[in-house]
Amino acid sequence: EAQVTQNPRYLITVTGKKLTVTCSQNMNHEYMSWYRQDPGLGLRQIYYSMNVEVTDKGDVPEGYKVSRKEKRNFPLILESPSPNQTSLYFCASSFAGRDGQPQHFGDGTRLSIL
Amino acid sequence: LAKTTQPISMDSYEGQEVNITCSHNNIATNDYITWYQQFPSQGPRFIIQGYKTKVTNEVASLFIPADRKSSTLSLPRVSLSDTAVYYCLVGDESGGYNKLIFGAGTRLAVHP
Repeated sequence: EAQVTQNPRYLITVTGKKLTVTCSQNMNHEYMSWYRQDPGLGLRQIYYSMNVEVTDKGDVPEGYKVSRKEKRNFPLILESPSPNQTSLYFCASSFAGRDGQPQHFGDGTRLSIL
Repeated sequence: LAKTTQPISMDSYEGQEVNITCSHNNIATNDYITWYQQFPSQGPRFIIQGYKTKVTNEVASLFIPADRKSSTLSLPRVSLSDTAVYYCLVGDESGGYNKLIFGAGTRLAVHP
């Protein structure tokens, strides 16, 4: 089954404790992306990756890191999480970023930073 | 900066046609317009995409005028299960149009 898998689905942690949210897709997609979703603000792109070893900043990259060492994986790293990073996070993938390629989204990861 | 503007919310009744318009004044010449649907606690799901004129699939139609500065998602005969948030999406030139911009979305409520 074609899917985007995020882990964990829920996480409660404390300020400053490094965490990683994993994202994996099995569709051989080149483009992967991370979004955060906050009430009233819709989906905002954090980082995106056009292909292996190619990443770029989205609209709200501050406080986040990503890496793309393999085509299927695109982890989101919070080196020193803060309460303003409490949010619902989605990973997505598609064949390409533009040209209308539909993105496939994961089920989301709800992070709470205390 | 490419930006989309949509109504914050809309209400409808079962069986009616719903039209949601998205404004994207700075859309690039060769960029597509894509619409997604999102239910609570789920990731967005692709509905329809288009470049110009009209596109129709089994769930919706998308109308794009000649100047492409807006688009209208049309949902025929909505049901309660169409209650969701609807987003339109275009690319942003600062990222070579690979940086994707979602609007804040339109919250559609369908009533019995």
